[in-house]
Amino acid sequence: DIVMTQTPLSLSVTPGQPASISCKSSQSLLHSDGRTYLYWYLQKPGQPPQLLIYEVFNRWSGVPDRFSGSGSGTDFTLKISRVEAEDVGVYYCMQSIQLPPYTFGQGTNLEIK
Amino acid sequence: QLQLQASGPGLVKPSESLSLTCTVPGGSISSGDYYWGWIRQPPGKGLEWIGGIYYSGSAYYNPSLKSRVTMSVDTSKNQFSLKLKSVTAADTAVYYCARAPVSGWVNAVPKYYFDYWGQGTLVTVSS
Repeated sequence: DIVMTQTPLSLSVTPGQPASISCKSSQSLLHSDGRTYLYWYLQKPGQPPQLLIYEVFNRWSGVPDRFSGSGSGTDFTLKISRVEAEDVGVYYCMQSIQLPPYTFGQGTNLEIK
Repeated sequence: QLQLQASGPGLVKPSESLSLTCTVPGGSISSGDYYWGWIRQPPGKGLEWIGGIYYSGSAYYNPSLKSRVTMSVDTSKNQFSLKLKSVTAADTAVYYCARAPVSGWVNAVPKYYFDYWGQGTLVTVSS
C-alpha cells in the first residue's frame, strides 16, 4: 500500500497568517498518463470531508483562491495564504494512483489561535 | 449540490453483518462517469477507503476488508449498498458514501476521487 505521511499533525494559526501542510507519499503519484493523483480534503467539525484540491493544484468548485496546492512525485504541499476562522478542521491528502487501496494521510488538525 | 444519504441500522451485534444503502438523487448512478464509494472513519480517527462500485457492478475493495466486504448497485432504485460481515468492535465507525468521478482508466482499472460525500452514518458494533 502507498503510505501517505502528513506533517505537521497539528497546526495553530493566527487569522490572516499563512499555513502550510506537507504530504509525502511512499511512491510517486505521477502516472505514465502524465497525471498526478493527489487530492486534498478538509473535514470541518461535525461534517463529512469536502474536496479542496484535485490532481495536486486544481481548486474544486467554490474553493477560495487562498487555498493552493503544489508539488510533484512524492512531495506535496497545501498552502492557505491567509487563514480564516472557517478554515478550522482536519486536512487530509489522498492518493488514487494505486487501486486498491486508495489511501489517506493521517490528517492535520488546523486550529485558530 | 448532490445530496447523498446513507441509511441502515446504527447498532450491529458482533459477528453479524453491517448493511448500508446510499441513495443517489437524480438518476446519475447509471452514468459511466462515476464510481460510487464507501469510506469510514472510526471515532476520533482518520479516513479509511473501503471500496467503490461502478454502475455495471464492477467493484474494488480494500484488501484489508476484502474477505468481508460486498458492494452492490441497484440502478432501478438509484442506490448502492455496502455489506460488511462478521463485524467486530473495530468496525465501529462513521460510514460515508460518496460520488467518485473517474479521472482516468488504465488497463480497465479506474482512477477516481471523491467529490460529493453524504453526511455519514454512525454504526456501532456492540452486544
